[in-house]
Amino acid sequence: EAGVAQSPRYKIIEKRQSVAFWCNPISGHATLYWYQQILGQGPKLLIQFQNNGVVDDSQLPKDRFSAERLKGVDSTLKIQPAKLEDSAVYLCASSLAVKQYFGPGTRLTVT
Amino acid sequence: DQQVKQNSPSLSVQEGRISILNCDYTNSMFDYFLWYKKYPAEGPTFLISISSIKDKNEDGRFTVFLNKSAKHLSLHIVPSQPGDSAVYFCAAGSGSSNTGKLIFGQGTTLQVKP
Repeated sequence: EAGVAQSPRYKIIEKRQSVAFWCNPISGHATLYWYQQILGQGPKLLIQFQNNGVVDDSQLPKDRFSAERLKGVDSTLKIQPAKLEDSAVYLCASSLAVKQYFGPGTRLTVT
Repeated sequence: DQQVKQNSPSLSVQEGRISILNCDYTNSMFDYFLWYKKYPAEGPTFLISISSIKDKNEDGRFTVFLNKSAKHLSLHIVPSQPGDSAVYFCAAGSGSSNTGKLIFGQGTTLQVKP
């Protein structure tokens, strides 16, 4: 069974630039999550989708972050404009039930 | 408000000995708990879970204990192996939320020395 795919794996941008991350969940998983993991901290949920609908985006900084999950499969997370404090690993996860399966993450460095 | 806390940032044990990783939570609505392991440059991988109706769950070398009255859970690894060296996260969720949302602790870095 193929796991959760994410791209790119690494990205370096300057502050005020924009960036987009892509996630392809495990086939058949209806629920998709985007997490932000800052160094030394645990993953923090940014947004959760059930199929193509948003279930929870209470922690998403909506003035600069946006996410979509067209057709209920792949998802993209965008940051525009980026700030220095956005430097983190962005993890995508998918699930059928309680257990979440994570992708390898995208390490973003904002300079 | 840190609802899930792992107060030990790091732990070092000798190969073959027991590793005990601890996790505390504050929200009494949490009714299931998971442990994830994370290697550098990889995403977290599921290790073991426990429901609040149980106080112990075992899977091979890994055992999770839950003390609901103390709002505390621990992960025991016996015997510890060098390949167990990784960051371990505990996570908690509430079935009543109907979202499957997990709250993660800060992580504990385990080093198992040969």
